[in-house]
Amino acid sequence: DVKVTQSSRYLVKRTGEKVFLECVQDMDHENMFWYRQDPGLGLRLIYFSYDVKMKEKGDIPEGYSVSREKKERFSLILESASTNQTSMYLCASRALGGQPQHFGDGTRLSIL
Amino acid sequence: GESVGLHLPTLSVQEGDNSIINCAYSNSASDYFIWYKQESGKGPQFIIDIRSNMDKRQGQRVTVLLNKTVKHLSLQIAATQPGDSAVYFCAERRRTDKLIFGTGTRLQVFP
Repeated sequence: DVKVTQSSRYLVKRTGEKVFLECVQDMDHENMFWYRQDPGLGLRLIYFSYDVKMKEKGDIPEGYSVSREKKERFSLILESASTNQTSMYLCASRALGGQPQHFGDGTRLSIL
Repeated sequence: GESVGLHLPTLSVQEGDNSIINCAYSNSASDYFIWYKQESGKGPQFIIDIRSNMDKRQGQRVTVLLNKTVKHLSLQIAATQPGDSAVYFCAERRRTDKLIFGTGTRLQVFP
């Protein structure tokens, strides 16, 4: 089975902090994704990566950046956290050209 | 509970009955559709998928139906069990290869 692991289940940070969310997958998948999930809005794509050192903006990239230095790891960075970034963050991966995306269990991030 | 469940339409069914969860999609160019199940405190879990050249696909206790004429997708769960209680949402793939997700339906199973 595909396993996507997000390093933290719950995280509380303060406004202005730089926040790192980590995601690791164990299936040698080329593609990785970061989403946020908010009530009534569904999943919205923040950034994705087709392969190592490659990244593409999703639908809501503002205030975020990403890093993909190794194939198995995809990091989401909040450069200066703000309260409107309080959300559930979900990481997903899939094989190149394959479906479906497989998700981790999420990080619930609160910005105070 | 998880705030992801707020504001969602809810389907309540009795244990053992069949459940039908519906999803309307917007883009006639979408060529691939997925159903996910999300239990409280967990990430979305893949259930079943279907390509646009098919009308129906069956899995274990689940069936997905695709009606391209009216851009409608449904998930049928046979003999619903308490463990089926979760939020279910569909996703469509557009030409950009990105997935567009629906907001979901909460399924509640009562004895």
